[in-house]
Amino acid sequence: NAGVTQTPKFQVLKTGQSMTLQCAQDMNHEYMSWYRQDPGMGLRLIHYSVGAGITDQGEVPNGYNVSRSTTEDFPLRLLSAAPSQTSVYFCASSRGHDEQYFGPGTRLTVT
Amino acid sequence: GENVEQHPSTLSVQEGDSAVIKCTYSDSASNYFPWYKQELGKGPQLIIDIRSNVGEKKDQRIAVTLNKTAKHFSLHITETQPEDSAVYFCAASWNDMRFGAGTRLTVKP
Repeated sequence: NAGVTQTPKFQVLKTGQSMTLQCAQDMNHEYMSWYRQDPGMGLRLIHYSVGAGITDQGEVPNGYNVSRSTTEDFPLRLLSAAPSQTSVYFCASSRGHDEQYFGPGTRLTVT
Repeated sequence: GENVEQHPSTLSVQEGDSAVIKCTYSDSASNYFPWYKQELGKGPQLIIDIRSNVGEKKDQRIAVTLNKTAKHFSLHITETQPEDSAVYFCAASWNDMRFGAGTRLTVKP
């Protein structure tokens, strides 16, 4: 099993550009989540999904969109990147309210 | 929503000493409390977890205690080793999972 994979590993965007961060898992987990990690602020939940076709907002959803068309994939879209979205982004999956498995992260810089 | 506070933000101990990290949470409905370890450049990894129907859980040198009445839980690492140096996060979950701000633990040889 590859576990949770994320692409790209690094990305630099200009303000106003859009992009999609990819996340995939091969463990048949129902739950998937996106977090951002900023210095001194831990991991903050952006959006999460409890199954295909179901998504919900987390703590800091503004500026981000998600969709869940399959169990395996949970992409995160930035429609118009802003410098405040410079961060490290982690995707995670779990069977339910259980251990979360994290991907390796995407380091995003918005200039 | 859930709010999780974690203390201290940094902790330095001598090899062989014990380390304790404490967290408090706000939502009494939370029923799952994991602890994650994050090494540099990697995603967090679960090291131990506890559910609300259990007061204490131990796994070798690591233990977690939960006080539901006071809404706080703690991580205890005994006989610390240099490889325990990392950032540790607590979290609380009911509907979604919320994390503490993290504790950078340094174990000096």
